[in-house]
Amino acid sequence: DAGVIQSPRHEVTEMGQEVTLRCKPISGHNSLFWYRQTMMRGLELLIYFNNNVPIDDSGMPEDRFSAKMPNASFSTLKIQPSEPRDSAVYFCASSFGQGASYGYTFGSGTRLTVV
Amino acid sequence: KQEVTQIPAALSVPEGENLVLNCSFTDSAIYNLQWFRQDPGKGLTSLLLIQSSQREQTSGRLNASLDKSSGRSTLYIAASQPGDSATYLCAVSGDKIIFGKGTRLHILP
Repeated sequence: DAGVIQSPRHEVTEMGQEVTLRCKPISGHNSLFWYRQTMMRGLELLIYFNNNVPIDDSGMPEDRFSAKMPNASFSTLKIQPSEPRDSAVYFCASSFGQGASYGYTFGSGTRLTVV
Repeated sequence: KQEVTQIPAALSVPEGENLVLNCSFTDSAIYNLQWFRQDPGKGLTSLLLIQSSQREQTSGRLNASLDKSSGRSTLYIAASQPGDSATYLCAVSGDKIIFGKGTRLHILP
């Protein structure tokens, strides 16, 4: 298995632009998680899906952020409009079972820079 | 609200030493605890997963213990090597999955 695949690896965009981050979970995993990592706040859970349904989105910072999981093999995290304070590394992770009962596998992350 | 703390935030030790990293959590109602390694600019690599019913897990030179009642976990690294230099994070899984901020480990050659 190729693991959790995220794209793009790096994204530089101007303030106000729309940004879409993509994630392909491990085949057979039914839970998917989006995290944001910054030096100040560490790793923060933004949202997680189980069987393609959003279970907890309380970590999504504001309405500018949205996430979808149209099928078991694909998820997107969209920021519209982007702001400089959104600059961070965004990770996607997947697991089998609700609540990561069997542990997570992380993707390599997308480093987002908003200028 | 679950809080996860990792102490120390940074640690430098000479090569060959055994060392212990600490993780504490405030709510003992967890399903499991997982230790990860993160290299600079990279993603997280899972090292060990301890279910709430377990006391410890071992993989090679790594041993992780879990004491739910006291809200503590330790990651023991035996015979440290320069290649062990990385940031080590613990994550507890309950209603939510919460990460500590990590311990940045530097092994001196």
